[in-house]
Amino acid sequence: AQSVSQHNHHVILSEAASLELGCNYSYGGTVNLFWYVQYPGQHLQLLLKYFSGDPLVKGIKGFEAEFIKSKFSFNLRKPSVQWSDTAEYFCAVNALDSNYQLIWGAGTKLIIKP
Amino acid sequence: DTEVTQTPKHLVMGMTNKKSLKCEQHMGHRAMYWYKQKAKKPPELMFVYSYEKLSINESVPSRFSPECPNSSLLNLHLHALQPEDSALYLCASSRKALANSPEQFFGPGTRLTVL
Repeated sequence: AQSVSQHNHHVILSEAASLELGCNYSYGGTVNLFWYVQYPGQHLQLLLKYFSGDPLVKGIKGFEAEFIKSKFSFNLRKPSVQWSDTAEYFCAVNALDSNYQLIWGAGTKLIIKP
Repeated sequence: DTEVTQTPKHLVMGMTNKKSLKCEQHMGHRAMYWYKQKAKKPPELMFVYSYEKLSINESVPSRFSPECPNSSLLNLHLHALQPEDSALYLCASSRKALANSPEQFFGPGTRLTVL
């Protein structure tokens, strides 16, 4: 069965530090890839998505992610985090193999120290 | 209008009550979804409606009953719930379902507490 792994359940950084959150998926076919963010008390928002084309995608709020097909990875990055980036981050994948249902990673809780 | 709205924001109910959650979108999306989210966990898919027809029921107990009156509205009727059903219930929509479709847009959720 298709699965999505997020390596870090909790990440604590200081403001201005660089961020990289890992995401790996298990399916070998064509996939659509997403990062969603859930700020405290708010709803899930799409940060960025990859369907095809340039494997380096840019999203909102300075986030970017790189799709590396050979590594089955879609890691999220931000060069300099802010306190307001404190949130839960979810990687999600959909594909023909999952009948295009979203398969979610377990999430990473990011805490930015002011 | 790129929003999915949900009412109520909070709901407290007893195990014998009957209540309904409502979801609305005006983006012309033809797929709508109900998810359940427990604290610090990813959303779990409950139901998928495609063109107002139920296309996926992820083995959800019958005490949860979905309804799609039209392409913009989605309801979740609740009856005889258990305390373990307390969670954030999320509605989402997308252009279409069960195809190579783009992203799902999520509503703010209804925080449900079952006493």
